[in-house]
Amino acid sequence: RKEVEQDPGPFNVPEGATVAFNCTYSNSASQSFFWYRQDCRKEPKLLMSVYSSGNEDGRFTAQLNRASQYISLLIRDSKLSDSATYLCVVNMNNAGNMLTFGGGTRLMVKP
Amino acid sequence: DAGITQSPRHKVTETGTPVTLRCHQTENHRYMYWYRQDPGHGLRLIHYSYGVKDTDKGEVSDGYSVSRSKTEDFLLTLESATSSQTSVYFCAISDSRGGSETQYFGPGTRLLVL
Repeated sequence: RKEVEQDPGPFNVPEGATVAFNCTYSNSASQSFFWYRQDCRKEPKLLMSVYSSGNEDGRFTAQLNRASQYISLLIRDSKLSDSATYLCVVNMNNAGNMLTFGGGTRLMVKP
Repeated sequence: DAGITQSPRHKVTETGTPVTLRCHQTENHRYMYWYRQDPGHGLRLIHYSYGVKDTDKGEVSDGYSVSRSKTEDFLLTLESATSSQTSVYFCAISDSRGGSETQYFGPGTRLLVL
């Protein structure tokens, strides 16, 4: 079983749609959680951290469910520019501050 | 912008030759990381450093060595490149903000081993 699992997609949605991505992680001692965005042939970039109480940044909402070891990302009013791969990332509370990456979920927003 | 550069950005080499990739940062971050990214595997940690001359292995360290002789530079060396090391290599630094450690990535190096 992978330590961080995501549905690879692709998710094909029309502009303006709401789309949700899910992620599960295996280590219950994990402390920090993030969503990164990666455009084709570019480096991953931090989209947002995920907090226990849930957090929102504009059209993006992240949720954490520690009991179920589950993280979600909701994108409202999708834009063409949201097309990218979204990486679920977990810090499993290790000494080297190492992050474990999911394989990513690809989103394609169509006109 | 986390002030991270990587060089070279692209490289083609032959099997058996040594290759060194450089990561340079300008903001005095303590932690630096080397990852490789391959289709079907996502990002995997090769080695990381927690200070000058302090390094440790990651998930896929076989065939790779690293060195950090000064804070700003973290070098990744493929002693004898193999075709299985064809990949995109990303360097990252760790930045602690508000107690939540996040990582920021350089632009990547595309390596092709023939």
